[in-house]
Amino acid sequence: TQLLEQSPQFLSIQEGENLTVYCNSSSVFSSLQWYRQEPGEGPVLLVTVVTGGEVKKLKRLTFQFGDARKDSSLHITAAQPGDTGLYLCAATANFGNEKLTFGTGTRLTIIP
Amino acid sequence: NAGVMQNPRHLVRRRGQEARLRCSPMKGHSHVYWYRQLPEEGLKFMVYLQKENIIDESGMPKERFSAEFPKEGPSILRIQQVVRGDSAAYFCASSLGRSGNTIYFGEGSWLTVV
Repeated sequence: TQLLEQSPQFLSIQEGENLTVYCNSSSVFSSLQWYRQEPGEGPVLLVTVVTGGEVKKLKRLTFQFGDARKDSSLHITAAQPGDTGLYLCAATANFGNEKLTFGTGTRLTIIP
Repeated sequence: NAGVMQNPRHLVRRRGQEARLRCSPMKGHSHVYWYRQLPEEGLKFMVYLQKENIIDESGMPKERFSAEFPKEGPSILRIQQVVRGDSAAYFCASSLGRSGNTIYFGEGSWLTVV
C-alpha cells in the first residue's frame, strides 16, 4: 500500500503571507489530485495533475507535479481567511484501477 | 461535487441495527467509490464498484460490511449489526472510470452509533 505523506500537518499563518504544502511518496502515481475539505463537508476537488513536471494555476493557488510523479506541492500566494481548511492530496497508482489513496492532510488556518 | 448525491446525510443507529447508505453518482458516471473518514483521521478507501461489479474491495472490513451498485438505482453501502466503532463519515465518489479521470465526491453520510 502506497503512503502519501503531507507536510506540514498543521500550518497557521497571517493573512497575506505565502505558503507551500507538500505531498510525498516513494511510489509513482498515474495521477494526483488536490482537495480541500471543510468541516462537515465532503472533499472538494481543486485540481488534477497527470503529467510529470506539470504546473497548474488556479487564481492564487499553484500546483506542481514532480518530474518523477512521486511528489506534488501546493503553493498559495497572499493567503486569505477563506483559504482556511483541510488540504488533502490523493493519488491513483495504477492505470485501470482508479481508487484514490489519500494523504495525511494539512490543516491550514489563515489568521485575519 | 454537487452532482454526487448521498443520503441520508446524518443517520443514528443503535448498536446491533443495520445502516444503509445510498449514493447516486454524477450523471454519466458508471464508477463508484466508497471511503470512510473516522474522527480526526484521513479518508480511507473501502470499495470500488462498477455497475453490477465489485472492482476492488480491499478496504472493506471482512465482516458486516457490503456494497452493491445495481444496474438500476443508487449504490448502497450496508453495515450490519453496527458497533460504536462504525461511527464515521462515509463518502461516496464517482468517475467516468477512464485512466486519469477525475473523481468527484459527495457531501458524505455521517453515521453515529449509540
